[in-house]
Amino acid sequence: GIQVEQSPPDLILQEGANSTLRCNFSDSVNNLQWFHQNPWGQLINLFYIPSGTKQNGRLSATTVATERYSLLYISSSQTTDSGVYFCAVEDQGAQKLVFGQGTRLTINP
Amino acid sequence: EAGVVQSPRYKIIEKKQPVAFWCNPISGHNTLYWYLQNLGQGPELLIRYENEEAVDDSQLPKDRFSAERLKGVDSTLKIQPAELGDSAVYLCASSRSVGGRMETQYFGPGTRLLVL
Repeated sequence: GIQVEQSPPDLILQEGANSTLRCNFSDSVNNLQWFHQNPWGQLINLFYIPSGTKQNGRLSATTVATERYSLLYISSSQTTDSGVYFCAVEDQGAQKLVFGQGTRLTINP
Repeated sequence: EAGVVQSPRYKIIEKKQPVAFWCNPISGHNTLYWYLQNLGQGPELLIRYENEEAVDDSQLPKDRFSAERLKGVDSTLKIQPAELGDSAVYLCASSRSVGGRMETQYFGPGTRLLVL
């Protein structure tokens, strides 16, 4: 099955800083989604982005499908951005989302 | 639009006892998923429903786990009997699938299970 690797595993920043989270995957995909899991455990869908670039406020994402990676950018971080960010890609053979191990982001005031 | 609803939010049981989790997906979403999330890891799919049909249950431990989705809407996941290793968060998600193409998944708040 498809493999998903996220980096870095942990990231600690001060409020106001910018960050880039990376997701590498081992096979071609037609479905890639980024999620934020807040400290209370709720998973929120951030982007559905199998290719190209999308922006939503301070967050943006870029997927380069031919090179098998996706990047999530967070600008002007706020403490509410803390949590775990997951990348998930569709295993086309199994038609299911496979999640990476996540990047734990901590934003200090 | 209401999100995915799950209950209970927390459950503590003794090993060998049965437990059941309930999920109500977003209205109009034909696909429903149950995931298991262990501490420090990403969610892992247990079972996927297309309407009332279980189309992928390959990761469901069928000796003790069972699931149903009556009338293609609400779903129940059951464990009987529970084991210590079943302690985890059980997440339900839903999405639309059109022509076999999976769209954005929306997750419920999860049920945190502790087996003593």
